[in-house]
Amino acid sequence: SQKIEQNSEALNIQEGKTATLTCNYTNYSPAYLQWYRQDPGRGPVFLLLIRENEKEKRKERLKVTFDTTLKQSLFHITASQPADSATYLCALLYTGFQKLVFGTGTRLLVSP
Amino acid sequence: EAQVTQNPRYLITVTGKKLTVTCSQNMNHEYMSWYRQDPGLGLRQIYYSMNVEVTDKGDVPEGYKVSRKEKRNFPLILESPSPNQTSLYFCASSDRTGKNIQYFGAGTRLSVL
Repeated sequence: SQKIEQNSEALNIQEGKTATLTCNYTNYSPAYLQWYRQDPGRGPVFLLLIRENEKEKRKERLKVTFDTTLKQSLFHITASQPADSATYLCALLYTGFQKLVFGTGTRLLVSP
Repeated sequence: EAQVTQNPRYLITVTGKKLTVTCSQNMNHEYMSWYRQDPGLGLRQIYYSMNVEVTDKGDVPEGYKVSRKEKRNFPLILESPSPNQTSLYFCASSDRTGKNIQYFGAGTRLSVL
């Protein structure tokens, strides 16, 4: 079965730095890869989606890359702020299926 | 405001006492899903529905039931809750664009004693 790996250890960075989160997967590549943000006690919120044939996607301070050779997606937050502190989840969607497979998430802590 | 509404937000119950968690969306989405989230296991899909009267099992359906009699509502039913169903539950909806972007509710924290 498909396995998704996100770093279970929290990522601590200083305000203003770039945060980089990793999502690795096994087996075959998905048609779409999504990133969500989840705050404590709240539901995940969709941030960005990248297609299988796209290398990079940007939205304001966010950037997602997708490397199907490495079977990896990187999620970058530039000029990070304490308000960016949250857990970030990646999710994979495969062609022909309507089910997303979620990673366990990585907690990001941005200190002032 | 576009949203997915779950109720209740918090629930403490005892083993074997039937309960229902309601979910409603106002975005006219065809697809709806229920997930549970447990530490170290992430979000796992319980059931999903692709349209009214169409439901199917997700990864962890045992002990749960759902129904989809109306497009906007997708209740989750625990006929005989057990302590291993203590978890954080999320309802989500998505449209038919194929990207399956999920819009989540705020969550229901369930404790079964």
